[in-house]
Parts: sequence; structure tokens; C-alpha cells
Amino acid sequence: DVKVTQSSRYLVKRTGEKVFLECVQDMDHENMFWYRQDPGLGLRLIYFSYDVKMKEKGDIPEGYSVSREKKERFSLILESASTNQTSMYLCASSLWGSSYEQYFGPGTRLTVT
Amino acid sequence: AQSVTQLGSHVSVSEGALVLLRCNYSSSVPPYLFWYVQYPNQGLQLLLKYTTGATLVKGINGFEAEFKKSETSFHLTKPSAHMSDAAEYFCAVTTILPGGYQKVTFGTGTKLQVIP
Repeated sequence: DVKVTQSSRYLVKRTGEKVFLECVQDMDHENMFWYRQDPGLGLRLIYFSYDVKMKEKGDIPEGYSVSREKKERFSLILESASTNQTSMYLCASSLWGSSYEQYFGPGTRLTVT
Repeated sequence: AQSVTQLGSHVSVSEGALVLLRCNYSSSVPPYLFWYVQYPNQGLQLLLKYTTGATLVKGINGFEAEFKKSETSFHLTKPSAHMSDAAEYFCAVTTILPGGYQKVTFGTGTKLQVIP
């Protein structure tokens, strides 16, 4: 079974802090994604990556950056956390050129105070 | 541009009743369509998918969905609801861009409540 893990289930940070959210998948997937999930808004794509050191902006990249130094690991960085970044963050991965289904991690609930 | 519309952010059904969750999409190219389920405090997991071929697809836990191109719909159904079906359900559309990159769009989700 594909496994996608995220570094923390719950995280509390202060405004202005730099925050790192990490995601690791164990199935050699090329594609990795970061979403945020907010009530009534569904999942919104922040960034995605289709290869090591490659990244593409999603629909809401402002205030975020990403890093993919190894194929299995995709990090989301909040350079200076703000209260409007309080949300559930979901990481996902998928295989290139396949049936395109995504495999999700359990999520990180981030609270910025 | 592509989009996904899920009608009804909350749906309540009685245990044993039919479950119908609606999803309409727009896409300028042939889409791949998915339903995912999210149980409380968990990530999403795949329920079923349509890629090509048969338009009626069956998924896990007795769910199925039918791709209707003329109606641009991919509604999710289950003949008889079970208490364990209470969860949030997301419809998603994926299109493949030049170069093979995936463009994924999720709907806003439908919370299913099952009443005993």
C-alpha cells in the first residue's frame, strides 16, 4: 500500500514564525501536491511538484514556498506565518502517466495565533 | 479552465435509504473523474474513479457513479446507507496538460449524515 506521511498532525505556531510542514511518500511517485482545506471551500492547491527540484504554483501560492530535494519528500514552508494560514494542510502524491488518482496523507492541522 | 460543482454541502439520509451525492464538472478536454471520502480527522481516500471505458464505475463500500458526458455529471450513489458512510465526500476532476502534467480541481465537498 502507498503510504504518505506528514510530519505533524497538529501544530501551533505564532504569527511571524517560519513554519515547515513535511511530507514523505514511499511509493516512488513523481507527483506531489500540497493543499489546504477550509470549511466550505474544499481543497485548494497551493503548490505541486512533478520531479525533484521542480515546482509549480497552484491556485493559492501566496505566502507559501516549497522544496523538493529528494523524490520522496516535499516540504511546504510558511515564511512568516499569519493567522489567515490557520487551516488543515494535506499532502498528496500520484504516479506520472497513470490513472492519476492521488494518495493523501493524514493532514496537519495548523493553528497560527 | 475546469471546475467542479457539488450540489448540497450537507446531505442527510436515513439508514437504509438511497444515497445520492451530486457532482457536475466543466472541462475543455476529456476528464478523469474521482470521488474521494474523508472520515473525521483523516486524509482523503479514493472511493472510485472514471478514466476511460465503462461509464458506470463501482467503488469501495458499495458506492458507484455514472459518468454522463451529455450532462457533464458524475453523481455518486449507494442503494442503502450505512451508519459508517457518514463522512465528507469530494468530487474531483483531473485533466492532462501538454507534457503530461496533471491539473486537478476538487469540489467543495458534501457532508453526509446518516440518521439511525
